[in-house]
Amino acid sequence: DTEVIQTPKHLVMGMTNKKSLKCEQHMGHRAMYWYKQKAKKPPELMFVYSYEKLSINESVPSRFSPECPNSSLLNLHLHALQPEDSALYLCASSQGDRNSPLHFGNGTRLTVT
Amino acid sequence: AQSVTQLDSQVPVFEEAPVELRCNYSSSVSVYLFWYVQYPNQGLQLLLKYLSGSTLVKGINGFEAEFNKSQTSFHLRKPSVHISDTAEYFCAVSGSNDYKLSFGAGTTVTVRA
Repeated sequence: DTEVIQTPKHLVMGMTNKKSLKCEQHMGHRAMYWYKQKAKKPPELMFVYSYEKLSINESVPSRFSPECPNSSLLNLHLHALQPEDSALYLCASSQGDRNSPLHFGNGTRLTVT
Repeated sequence: AQSVTQLDSQVPVFEEAPVELRCNYSSSVSVYLFWYVQYPNQGLQLLLKYLSGSTLVKGINGFEAEFNKSQTSFHLRKPSVHISDTAEYFCAVSGSNDYKLSFGAGTTVTVRA
């Protein structure tokens, strides 16, 4: 299985809602990532988990809360988001080495109203 | 830290014509270089990577890239494009001292019949 599966594909939420994005991989990868991508822009790194521990937080606002329940799963909990947080949220995984390519999911298209 | 510059933001090309997407990088350490493709409404997919060894790297879908250390470039080429190659292309670099992947701004390739 060489896929990274993200759910849901689309999500519309109000600014007072709480929702979660989910990501799953079964490639035995040790590192998992959350990226945010605005239209016509490259992905921006948000968080990195290595061996289920948070290793990088790119100064992301606390309204985004990542969680890595086990080596195959990655969640992103959302609370009190702003309209400018609307974007494509991409999950990725890798072996965790500096020369390992990332494997991306197809993303969750988030709209905050 | 590493950085990447993609020299063309948009490249229109006719079907069956060749295409070259230019990428220059800057780094003070050894680098690993990647090209990713993003089709509409999808995540990023690895096209090819340069880690070491032969400077000409062949990837999927008929793409190839050449690593040129003296010119700090990693240009992507395809001798004959198809309509299905219409997509966003990202060059990315990671360094031997940094786990983070730096993406270029992207090049939009539009293939016309």
